[in-house]
Amino acid sequence: SQQGEEDPQALSIQEGENATMNCSYKTSINNLQWYRQNSGRGLVHLILIRSNEREKHSGRLRVTLDTSKKSSSLLITASRAADTASYFCATDAPNTGNQFYFGTGTSLTVIP
Amino acid sequence: ETGVTQSPTHLIKTRGQQVTLRCSSQSGHNTVSWYQQALGQGPQFIFQYYREEENGRGNFPPRFSGLQFPNYSSELNVNALELDDSALYLCASSSPGLMFGTQYFGPGTRLTVL
Repeated sequence: SQQGEEDPQALSIQEGENATMNCSYKTSINNLQWYRQNSGRGLVHLILIRSNEREKHSGRLRVTLDTSKKSSSLLITASRAADTASYFCATDAPNTGNQFYFGTGTSLTVIP
Repeated sequence: ETGVTQSPTHLIKTRGQQVTLRCSSQSGHNTVSWYQQALGQGPQFIFQYYREEENGRGNFPPRFSGLQFPNYSSELNVNALELDDSALYLCASSSPGLMFGTQYFGPGTRLTVL
């Protein structure tokens, strides 16, 4: 079974609104990463947060990590139509050498 | 663009056949990971190659096998294809120590098994 589970499965918002999606995982981790995928194409790396970090920002993205709850959230502020995509969290466990386990994804639709 | 390329883009095979998918890693990356992504699902880790050796494997049967070459490009081979093998196959390259584990994905190969 996959390590992570994203919530919600699907999200539809108006352009300019903020989008929040959550990820829960099962075991201890080294890092947690968020990726974006457009229409069944390759994944694009968005942001990495290490297990000893609690929050990280990159442009309009804000990621939080709560290792006690084994959860993370991705916030996209001031959303744009171009943000329409599926978003996945991926975790790697200690001593697994860069092996990543992905969640089921959140499908985000931003309506112009 | 990540610099990771995959071939072919699309492939149609029949049940029982064998298939080989190819991946060229990004320059400077010595690790390649392969993933299977069924429609509507997240990518599932198949296996990883580091310096031409298998370095971890997910929950996939032995008919999924791979190779990594001295230039760090890689192949994924699937024997005795089944209908459930229909999926997008993604490869990702990375280099331990660089960007602390970030993986760079290729565009994928869409495999359809009839």
